[in-house]
Amino acid sequence: QKEVEQNSGPLSVPEGAIASLNCTYSDRGSQSFFWYRQYSGKSPELIMFIYSNGDKEDGRFTAQLNKASQYVSLLIRDSQPSDSATYLCAVRGGKLIFGQGTELSVKP
Amino acid sequence: ETGVTQTPRHLVMGMTNKKSLKCEQHLGHNAMYWYKQSAKKPLELMFVYSLEERVENNSVPSRFSPECPNSSHLFLHLHTLQPEDSALYLCASSQTRAGRSGNTIYFGEGSWLTVV
Repeated sequence: QKEVEQNSGPLSVPEGAIASLNCTYSDRGSQSFFWYRQYSGKSPELIMFIYSNGDKEDGRFTAQLNKASQYVSLLIRDSQPSDSATYLCAVRGGKLIFGQGTELSVKP
Repeated sequence: ETGVTQTPRHLVMGMTNKKSLKCEQHLGHNAMYWYKQSAKKPLELMFVYSLEERVENNSVPSRFSPECPNSSHLFLHLHTLQPEDSALYLCASSQTRAGRSGNTIYFGEGSWLTVV
């Protein structure tokens, strides 16, 4: 079992829709959870981090954490073509472990 | 601009060459990292330095040799690489290395390495 697992996609949504990206992790002791966005040919950039159960909202982005079920998700409301990128989930227990990323494509 | 600068951005080298990747962070962070990113694979942590001391080496072949002369600079020396080492090499930094909530890492733009 991978330590941090994401569906590689591609996930395709129409412009204006909600994009839902999911991530599961295996280490129950994980404390911090991060979402990075990586455009093609660019380095990852931090979008959000969350460490408490529940939702955390920042503009069009909402991170959701459920430690009991060991998943973290990222919702993108009113998706735009500029949101098209690969989204990396990262989970920190003793180490920061990255998932392989989910490719999101927002169609105009 | 993340405050982490990498040079060169692109490097092509032969298998017998010696080259180095350079990273500089302007964030006042105490921890620096080298990651490798290959196509369709998760980011692979290579080395971690905390306060200029190497604290983690994830079974990286000796043909990769890191150097951290101070808390702002990190190098990756490359020698007798193989074609399968072609990848994007990312430098990153964070305030501390400890697994504390919100201790985020910030990436440089990366160095694209091609070994021929």
